[in-house]
Amino acid sequence: RKEVEQDPGPFNVPEGATVAFNCTYSNSASQSFFWYRQDCRKEPKLLMSVYSSGNEDGRFTAQLNRASQYISLLIRDSKLSDSATYLCVVNPGSYIPTFGRGTSLIVHP
Amino acid sequence: DGGITQSPKYLFRKEGQNVTLSCEQNLNHDAMYWYRQDPGQGLRLIYYSQIVNDFQKGDIAEGYSVSREKKESFPLTVTSAQKNPTAFYLCASNNPQGLGKEKLFFGSGTQLSVL
Repeated sequence: RKEVEQDPGPFNVPEGATVAFNCTYSNSASQSFFWYRQDCRKEPKLLMSVYSSGNEDGRFTAQLNRASQYISLLIRDSKLSDSATYLCVVNPGSYIPTFGRGTSLIVHP
Repeated sequence: DGGITQSPKYLFRKEGQNVTLSCEQNLNHDAMYWYRQDPGQGLRLIYYSQIVNDFQKGDIAEGYSVSREKKESFPLTVTSAQKNPTAFYLCASNNPQGLGKEKLFFGSGTQLSVL
């Protein structure tokens, strides 16, 4: 089993839709979790940090389920500008950040 | 403003040539990382360094070399032994210990292509 797994998608949704991505991780000692957004050929940019059960920032909500070892990202009222790849990053006890391969989101008019 | 600077933005390599990608940070971060990204793929760890004068191989270190002589600098050399170097290279840094401080900061990336 890979350390961090994501469904690559693409998730193809209309504007205004609600969409959710999951990310599973294998190391139960993992302490912190992040969602990054990456546009094509650009550097990833931090979207949200998740340390406890969850975090909310405007249209974005991230949740952590330690028992089932996954984190989720929910995007409400999708905008065209939300089209990007969303990377899940897990920090295990070794402190070396581990990336999922990313989930592609396409929001269409 | 603090940040990470990668250069060059685009780099072309000839057969048998070594090339070096620059990464400089003024965030006073202890740890620095190099990642490779191929089209449609996630980030794969090449090398990382958690302290000056020390670095460790990541998952795909073959054909690459690094140095960490200064805290601010972590250059990556793509050697002629790397037979498929065409990729997007990202440098990152953080302070890995301490909840809330370990988020990664990225440079803007270098696209390396083979002539």
